[in-house]
Amino acid sequence: EAEVAQSPRYKITEKSQAVAFWCDPISGHATLYWYRQILGQGPELLVQFQDESVVDDSQLPKDRFSAERLKGVDSTLKIQPAELGDSAMYLCASSPYTDTQYFGPGTRLTVL
Amino acid sequence: GEDVEQSLFLSVREGDSSVINCTYTDSSSTYLYWYKQEPGAGLQLLTYIFSNMDMKQDQRLTVLLNKKDKHLSLRIADTQTGDSAIYFCAESTVNTGFQKLVFGTGTRLLVSP
Repeated sequence: EAEVAQSPRYKITEKSQAVAFWCDPISGHATLYWYRQILGQGPELLVQFQDESVVDDSQLPKDRFSAERLKGVDSTLKIQPAELGDSAMYLCASSPYTDTQYFGPGTRLTVL
Repeated sequence: GEDVEQSLFLSVREGDSSVINCTYTDSSSTYLYWYKQEPGAGLQLLTYIFSNMDMKQDQRLTVLLNKKDKHLSLRIADTQTGDSAIYFCAESTVNTGFQKLVFGTGTRLLVSP
């Protein structure tokens, strides 16, 4: 069964450092989502891609976060510089156009 | 705006039925979803229901939707210890052609032997 892949699974960094997360969606899924999940809360959408285009980044803190999906397949989410409040699980999901979302295992970020 | 609410915690004994409740606010939601999250893992899709349906059954899972009251429930029959996890309700809306999911805060289900 096809799955969404994410790496790394865990990342520990010091504040003010740069971090990057990678996501490979299910083959053929045009839509890719990045979510942030703070401990004890539900996931919140950061950015949504349709193919290589951003269709919603209204909740992305653009002063420090960036996301790209250059060839419309895999995607990278970057934080620079990381802050203590960025400690969270970062989840990637993909879906066929306007359909059910399938999630990857997530990257647990700890900022010290 | 959209908002999804769930109770925080539910404790049941193995073999009993579990009922997890959810309320949402957006009457234009097209689909409503239930996801399961085990510790340190991503979200696993359990089931979903289209907004024009009242009920959907899938093996041990039964979803009930009361669209008038904007109330969604997930019933797990014969609950097992492996069902212990956090369960998230999510409402889906389509905005400018693209699906958006809004999640509740999750209900932690604890199943004791």
